[in-house]
Amino acid sequence: DVKVTQSSRYLVKRTGEKVFLECVQDMDHENMFWYRQDPGLGLRLIYFSYDVKMKEKGDIPEGYSVSREKKERFSLILESASTNQTSMYLCASSLGQYITDTQYFGPGTRLTVL
Amino acid sequence: LAKTTQPISMDSYEGQEVNITCSHNNIATNDYITWYQQFPSQGPRFIIQGYKTKVTNEVASLFIPADRKSSTLSLPRVSLSDTAVYYCLVGETGGGNKLTFGTGTQLKVEL
Repeated sequence: DVKVTQSSRYLVKRTGEKVFLECVQDMDHENMFWYRQDPGLGLRLIYFSYDVKMKEKGDIPEGYSVSREKKERFSLILESASTNQTSMYLCASSLGQYITDTQYFGPGTRLTVL
Repeated sequence: LAKTTQPISMDSYEGQEVNITCSHNNIATNDYITWYQQFPSQGPRFIIQGYKTKVTNEVASLFIPADRKSSTLSLPRVSLSDTAVYYCLVGETGGGNKLTFGTGTQLKVEL
């Protein structure tokens, strides 16, 4: 089974802090994704990566950056956290070649910014 | 970029067939349609994917009409454990590499 793990299930940060959310997958997948999930808005794509050091913006990249230095690890960075970034963050990975390949999701990180 | 619209919620009883429809009026030629299921405190899980007509697997069927402007996820004989949020996803593979999730449909199954 594919396993996608996220570094924290719950995280509480202060406004202005730099926040790192880590995601690791163990199936040698090419693609990795970061989403945020908010009530009534569903899942919205922040960034995705199709290879090491490669990234593409999703629908809502503002206020976020990403890093993929190793194939199995994809980090989401909030350079200066704000209260409107309080959300559930979901990481996913997929095999590769096509962005429509089946995605395997982690359990999510519930981030609260105070 | 296809925008997807789903009903916010649906109710059903055990043993019934449930059909959840997603509208994606401006779907593009290269877009595929995928459905995911999400339980509380978990990430979404793949159910089924299709491009046109009908696809069936061991848990669901996906019906896509010829114009592809909508799709219907069909769950046969639901049980309490099918209570979850169901998302449709339209994904573009033709160089744009865009993904658009619907806002999700909360299905509640009762005895």
